[in-house]
Order: sequence, then C-alpha cells, then structure tokens
Amino acid sequence: EIVLTQSPGTLSLSPGERATLSCRASQSVSSSYLAWYQQKPGQAPRLLMYGASSRATGIPDRFSGSGSGTDFTLTISRLEPEDFAVYYCQQYGSSTRTFGQGTKLEIK
Amino acid sequence: EVQLVESGGGLVKPGGSLRLSCAASGFTFSTYSMNWVRQAPGKGLEWVSSISSSSYSIFYADSVKGRFTISRDNAKNSLYLQMNSLRAEDTAVYYCVSCSAGTCYSNPFDYWGQGTLVTVSS
Repeated sequence: EIVLTQSPGTLSLSPGERATLSCRASQSVSSSYLAWYQQKPGQAPRLLMYGASSRATGIPDRFSGSGSGTDFTLTISRLEPEDFAVYYCQQYGSSTRTFGQGTKLEIK
Repeated sequence: EVQLVESGGGLVKPGGSLRLSCAASGFTFSTYSMNWVRQAPGKGLEWVSSISSSSYSIFYADSVKGRFTISRDNAKNSLYLQMNSLRAEDTAVYYCVSCSAGTCYSNPFDYWGQGTLVTVSS
C-alpha cells in the first residue's frame, strides 16, 4: 500500500499570500496518478487537480499542481477567502487508493 | 445533473450490522465503477471499497476486508455496502463516489454524494 504523507499539518496564511502544500509518497506513484481534493466543513470533498498538474473542471487558475514520482506539490498563488479549507492528496494508480492525512489551510 | 444520495446510516452497537445504499441518477449507472469512501469524525478520508460496472472486479481496504461487502443493482441504479461485525473505529461518514470517466481505474474521484453517518457505539 502506498502511504501518502502531507505537510505541513496546518498552514496559517493571510488572503493574498501564496500557499504551498506538500504530499510525499512512500513509493513512486505510477504515471503521476495523483489528485488533490478540497474539503470545507460539512461538505463532501471536491476534486481540484488530477494527473498531478491538471485542473479539474471549474477550478480557477490560481491553483496549480506539480511533481512526479514520490514528491508532489499543490500551490495556490494568491489566497482568496474561500480557499481556506482542508486539502487532501490521493493516489489512484493502484487498486487500493490511498489519501494523505490532510493539510488544514487556516486564516492567519 | 449527477446525483449520488446515500442512506441507511444510523446508530448500531458493536458487533452489529448495517446496510448502506446509494441511489444514483444523472448518468448511466450501469457503465460506471463505484466506490465507498469514509471519514471518521474530525479525521481524514479513507477509501473503503470499489466495484466495477459489471461487479467483476471488487476491492477492499484491509481495514474492512472480510467484514464489509460491496454490491450493486444496475437495474435499480443503486450501490450498497453491507457492513457486518461493526467496530467503534468504523464510526464515520460514508460517501458514495464515482468518476466522470466511467471507470475509476486510473481516474480520480469527481462524483461525490453528501454522505451518511454511521455511529458504532453501545
């Protein structure tokens, strides 16, 4: 099973700042089958990125993803108030999907 | 519009059983693979199980293998999760999930229901 470790656990930033979230895999993620999800309180997760760097439908271009192999990054270029949420990475290259433990992005 | 509506959650005693259902609409259910993902209160996401469109391929997380059974009825556009020998650590919101690509093989989860809460407690 591929274990995903996200860092930091909590990130405190102000609107307008740049956010960088990390996701590290215990073994290489095949074909960059790495996704990012955003979850707000009381809501289901929403797909943000797939294939490590492709934005899902309707996701603004301030969100970007990068990485390959075992190291992946989600970047939010300029934080908007609605971006403060919990973010999860997920690998979907194996029959047993795994998620990271999440990074909480909170307002400073 | 794609809709996934879970039902069947509730309070159950340790060792008990519960059957979750997910009613799907807005897409051709019989051609889509389906999944269950859960989230314990205040915790992260955990993939539980997946089933292919024809029920040929089924997978489980180690944490539920031998206790949970995923199934589907394509004629009723419905997905199920039979949960037996429930434990306190199974307490979670259970989400019904699918993929717009049809197959979730090598595709991310982009269709999510709102979830149903299962509480295992005496």
